[in-house]
Amino acid sequence: ETGVTQTPRHLVMGMTNKKSLKCEQHLGHNAMYWYKQSAKKPLELMFVYNFKEQTENNSVPSRFSPECPNSSHLFLHLHTLQPEDSALYLCASSQDERERTDTQYFGPGTRLTVL
Amino acid sequence: AQKITQTQPGMFVQEKEAVTLDCTYDTSDPSYGLFWYKQPSSGEMIFLIYQGSYDQQNATEGRYSLNFQKARKSANLVISASQLGDSAMYFCAMRARRGGGTSYGKLTFGQGTILTVHP
Repeated sequence: ETGVTQTPRHLVMGMTNKKSLKCEQHLGHNAMYWYKQSAKKPLELMFVYNFKEQTENNSVPSRFSPECPNSSHLFLHLHTLQPEDSALYLCASSQDERERTDTQYFGPGTRLTVL
Repeated sequence: AQKITQTQPGMFVQEKEAVTLDCTYDTSDPSYGLFWYKQPSSGEMIFLIYQGSYDQQNATEGRYSLNFQKARKSANLVISASQLGDSAMYFCAMRARRGGGTSYGKLTFGQGTILTVHP
């Protein structure tokens, strides 16, 4: 199943680097999400875009900057990250986050290591 | 506030046996949706099954079924005839309306249960 793709799958970066994570969905969905999953912690929602409008910013530090140019693409721009930002970053998409039955489909994730 | 609780950090099951993964939830909204996801070691979250709060019957999807007990606010996942490939982390999640409004918002996830299937 390649409905939601993420690149790169693995990323190692220094604290002074700037990098971007990319997510693309081929499911015709209207909502896209970024989640952070750290070891031994529950899944943390970071950002939500519904019909290209940002509807959620879950108190995420400004060193993470999302971009949603259209309903199929979502980026997460990273700059001056900290070692504690090392985690699995998951992208998801769904039809419409406002609906009760709305099901999110996830990508394979990007495993980020900050040195 | 919405909350999902998965009290079993880890579960073990013998291959071909059935296993139940527990999930309890808390919401004051009578209209909500419950979801189960599987996360293998590769990292991808795979959607398994959905149950709506007004659904009269328990949801089933192949070897997965949801034991939905509304009064107890529990939505346990039952996996029948376990396979080695079922070894993974399993997450329960819920969506309810936010702040008494009419639209639904983010999914609230539980802490997860690691299932290990023994041959």
